[in-house]
Amino acid sequence: SAVISQKPSRDICQRGTSLTIQCQVDSQVTMMFWYRQQPGQSLTLIATANQGSEATYESGFVIDKFPISRPNLTFSTLTVSNMSPEDSSIYLCSVEVAGRGYEQYFGPGTRLTVT
Amino acid sequence: GESVGLHLPTLSVQEGDNSIINCAYSNSASDYFIWYKQESGKGPQFIIDIRSNMDKRQGQRVTVLLNKTVKHLSLQIAATQPGDSAVYFCAEKGKGGSYIPTFGRGTSLIVHP
Repeated sequence: SAVISQKPSRDICQRGTSLTIQCQVDSQVTMMFWYRQQPGQSLTLIATANQGSEATYESGFVIDKFPISRPNLTFSTLTVSNMSPEDSSIYLCSVEVAGRGYEQYFGPGTRLTVT
Repeated sequence: GESVGLHLPTLSVQEGDNSIINCAYSNSASDYFIWYKQESGKGPQFIIDIRSNMDKRQGQRVTVLLNKTVKHLSLQIAATQPGDSAVYFCAEKGKGGSYIPTFGRGTSLIVHP
């Protein structure tokens, strides 16, 4: 399996500010994803982080609001820009490990509260 | 659009009982199904998976059943333990190169000692 860490684990931010969340994997992975999970809800895919190119965003999510970087095969960042209370959520990094079929692993999540 | 849903949002059982968590899916093209367990404050954890060419797959204390006729997926947990208390999600991956899973709503399993 892949071990995934995220920083910060939680944060409380002011409206209008931005927060960058880091995701580090202990091995090289091809696929990295960012999800959002609102309290008591299921997971919604924000985007696929592509190494060396722009992320692929799902419907309803845009690069200006959620810029993503992926400089190498073990690291990615997600920025939540110009935050509003509606952005309060858990943000999860996920990876798919080559050679492990379709198994997908998740980080512990970053709990964001916007006031 | 296509969706994956769960019948029961909360399931309460006694320790030692068998638990059954159900999931309905609507994308008939899906060829791979996964169950995840999410404990409080943690990310989802892979439990077991099944491909569409199978009806049943067993793991350690868990069994997944797939009924493609009625598009139904279930997770059976034998001899449920307090440590099994969590939210369980089913997810599906479709054909046609869609490698990203679509997650269902989730069922909260509460195990009473």
